[in-house]
Amino acid sequence: DTAVSQTPKYLVTQMGNDKSIKCEQNLGHDTMYWYKQDSKKFLKIMFSYNNKELIINETVPNRFSPKSPDKAHLNLHINSLELGDSAVYFCASSRTSGTQYFGPGTRLTVL
Amino acid sequence: AQSVAQPEDQVNVAEGNPLTVKCTYSVSGNPYLFWYVQYPNRGLQFLLKYITGDNLVKGSYGFEAEFNKSQTSFHLKKPSALVSDSALYFCAVRDLPSGNTPLVFGKGTRLSVIA
Repeated sequence: DTAVSQTPKYLVTQMGNDKSIKCEQNLGHDTMYWYKQDSKKFLKIMFSYNNKELIINETVPNRFSPKSPDKAHLNLHINSLELGDSAVYFCASSRTSGTQYFGPGTRLTVL
Repeated sequence: AQSVAQPEDQVNVAEGNPLTVKCTYSVSGNPYLFWYVQYPNRGLQFLLKYITGDNLVKGSYGFEAEFNKSQTSFHLKKPSALVSDSALYFCAVRDLPSGNTPLVFGKGTRLSVIA
């Protein structure tokens, strides 16, 4: 039983395209997150949602738009993809202020 | 602002020897500290955390970490390393008790255990 799942695992696309990454958690957590891991493995928070409300929005281009249809899902939509968006994107979830559990990641490659 | 430093990019240790992966932190309040491990092409797996209480925290796979407030450190340790421990290790911190404070990660330390 996967606790935090992401689809797709790999995403290869052309510059300028729009793409989405989906995340689901079955842990009953009320907070979900998106992180970006760059080529040097540096991890940085992008967004956080608590009970479907945006609570953390770090300095991220507005081409990135998170959407949380319910507490178990947090999707990431990216418009007008650029080469620099190539990275591994991790979803995570937690109870408020609790330990964060991560999904397996989505490796995005923009050509 | 919160920050985490992992001073070593790479740690090499022989199988069976003790290992230490270093982490120091900076927070304005009380720290909430974590260690995660990332195996190749996998997500991050939670190893252990410190909130309050005993300074020595025990976690998964035989790992432990020691919280040292005076040195603002939270080093990860294991008495006897296994080849299968080879992975990328991340230290992370957030301020207590703010629920909205993001988790800040160190840059990671690659552990290589040699048979």
